[in-house]
Amino acid sequence: EDKVVQSPLSLVVHEGDTVTLNCSYEVTNFRSLLWYKQEKKAPTFLFMLTSSGIEKKSGRLSSILDKKELFSILNITATQTGDSAIYLCARNSGGSNYKLTFGKGTLLTVNP
Amino acid sequence: SAVISQKPSRDICQRGTSLTIQCQVDSQVTMMFWYRQQPGQSLTLIATANQGSEATYESGFVIDKFPISRPNLTFSTLTVSNMSPEDSSIYLCSVEGFRDYGNIQYFGAGTRLSVL
Repeated sequence: EDKVVQSPLSLVVHEGDTVTLNCSYEVTNFRSLLWYKQEKKAPTFLFMLTSSGIEKKSGRLSSILDKKELFSILNITATQTGDSAIYLCARNSGGSNYKLTFGKGTLLTVNP
Repeated sequence: SAVISQKPSRDICQRGTSLTIQCQVDSQVTMMFWYRQQPGQSLTLIATANQGSEATYESGFVIDKFPISRPNLTFSTLTVSNMSPEDSSIYLCSVEGFRDYGNIQYFGAGTRLSVL
């Protein structure tokens, strides 16, 4: 089945904490897994992962993919209030239409 | 990255009316996508719109309810027809892009629709 499952659905932390967000997917066809940050309305691109075990890093954010176990994690270290957002992961199944299937997202709230 | 403008940013509409949402991108793109995000839910793909061909609709979405136009490589419209309160959602368009040696999508800021 074409499903993307994220956990937890919501998370409340204090500034400075480290968080790990999870994304698992069920599919036989796979091209890549993408992470987006959604503040207010427009999702903004964070990472694209295609290969297992290779960490992508951008500042305090990092992400890694496990294609054998079909999951990805997004880590945020030293969280700040500006990290408060919905974090979405999406699977690209490939093919000619680059269709993305999104999970429900993790609502992260970082309190001062 | 592509710059995507969506109009209107929000609207409040009456039941039974229709609303057309516009999506303009600052560069030519082959594929544009329309998504719906219902309250508390994730993004669900409505249809894929390629210039010069009919839009391809996902299961559960039909052309009569969500007609799409794609007159050129930088513009598309989505119409939400005969609206009901269940159509209250954020509607987003996106375009294909290329980052990190792979295909991604860039999103517009969305249209927040409330149907009374």
